[in-house]
Amino acid sequence: DAKTTQPPSMDCAEGRAANLPCNHSTISGNEYVYWYRQIHSQGPQYIIHGLKNNETNEMASLIITEDRKSSTLILPHATLRDTAVYYCIVRVMLLTGGGNKLTFGTGTQLKVEL
Amino acid sequence: EAQVTQNPRYLITVTGKKLTVTCSQNMNHEYMSWYRQDPGLGLRQIYYSMNVEVTDKGDVPEGYKVSRKEKRNFPLILESPSPNQTSLYFCASSFVGQGAGNTIYFGEGSWLTVV
Repeated sequence: DAKTTQPPSMDCAEGRAANLPCNHSTISGNEYVYWYRQIHSQGPQYIIHGLKNNETNEMASLIITEDRKSSTLILPHATLRDTAVYYCIVRVMLLTGGGNKLTFGTGTQLKVEL
Repeated sequence: EAQVTQNPRYLITVTGKKLTVTCSQNMNHEYMSWYRQDPGLGLRQIYYSMNVEVTDKGDVPEGYKVSRKEKRNFPLILESPSPNQTSLYFCASSFVGQGAGNTIYFGEGSWLTVV
């Protein structure tokens, strides 16, 4: 799987949009971009994923650049409960078990403040 | 409610005393796996299973065993725990294959301390 680079930490004011960047310049054509978050030491929580098109769900939006070398996770109205470590993961979809492994980096610690 | 359930959530045990951490999922997922999380090392995969009776090693399998006798259960077995297995453990599950249905879901974690 391609390697990802994220800033170690970010701050965001409550109610504002949180924009978390991720660089994945070596991504291959069949690799998806996934985002997970981990609040304290709870189990990682799925947020969103995409291949090449921008995606939106009830939690967040994912913007992938046209060359697919970077992406941004957007939490439109961050709350204190969004304080967590956010992981950007590039993952190839395979029919074998190896394709289901997630390789977690160090992620971005997002701190949402009043 | 779709869930991955682990037990126990917290355990302190002594070196060499066999223990089992159970994992159960109610989503009919074929794929299940175990991760451990340690400070500075992130989450690392221990073992995974593609389906019943099919298991394979992940990145850090030493000192662990698993079994997959039923689709919903995937217990992690520490035959002779050692202090370096003190860690936070996560079970995960998903469908196998491509597409949006392949999202991986995690349990809430099991804190294990070996003294």
